[in-house]
Amino acid sequence: ILNVEQSPQSLHVQEGDSTNFTCSFPSSNFYALHWYRWETAKSPEALFVMTLNGDEKKKGRISATLNTKEGYSYLYIKGSQPEDSATYLCAFLNQAGTALIFGKGTTLSVSS
Amino acid sequence: GAVVSQHPSRVICKSGTSVKIECRSLDFQATTMFWYRQFPKQSLMLMATSNEGSKATYEQGVEKDKFLINHASLTLSTLTVTSAHPEDSSFYICSARVVGATDTQYFGPGTRLTVL
Repeated sequence: ILNVEQSPQSLHVQEGDSTNFTCSFPSSNFYALHWYRWETAKSPEALFVMTLNGDEKKKGRISATLNTKEGYSYLYIKGSQPEDSATYLCAFLNQAGTALIFGKGTTLSVSS
Repeated sequence: GAVVSQHPSRVICKSGTSVKIECRSLDFQATTMFWYRQFPKQSLMLMATSNEGSKATYEQGVEKDKFLINHASLTLSTLTVTSAHPEDSSFYICSARVVGATDTQYFGPGTRLTVL
């Protein structure tokens, strides 16, 4: 059974705070790790697809790192804004499959 | 680009009826679409992989006769929940894959099904 765990389940920060959350996944047979941002009543939006150990990707104030040997990825948000409020999902893809295995997500709430 | 629509966004039906959900890729062609289901406080769980022009591949535990999938064109896949029961009430969401190095999946906004 492939398990993808995300922590924390939810967090609340003040505008301007920087924050980060974790996605852990099986370290064997790794192919790719996807991050999505999901706002209420909208479609999940693809943020990053990471494939190489040590990858670091950045999109504006959001960045992510990947450690495939130990099976974790961090998502960082610098200077959080209220519009960053969303659920952040990670999903693991192994070499054998075409299916994404999702974590339960981390729900971020940013207060102004 | 890479927009996926899903219709309806919300449906309430009586037990025993069938419900059809449509998933469309609006600005690209998708040979493969995926159907997921999400129960409260749970992760998105893959139900089936829909391949254009061929039979869908169902995940273990998903009844293919209950959840009928049709992918008749490169831009449309449909999921029909047949003889729906209250336990089928859930959030159903589709995605379409753009084939390439990253194999990114683009998601629709989802359908909330409530079976009374």
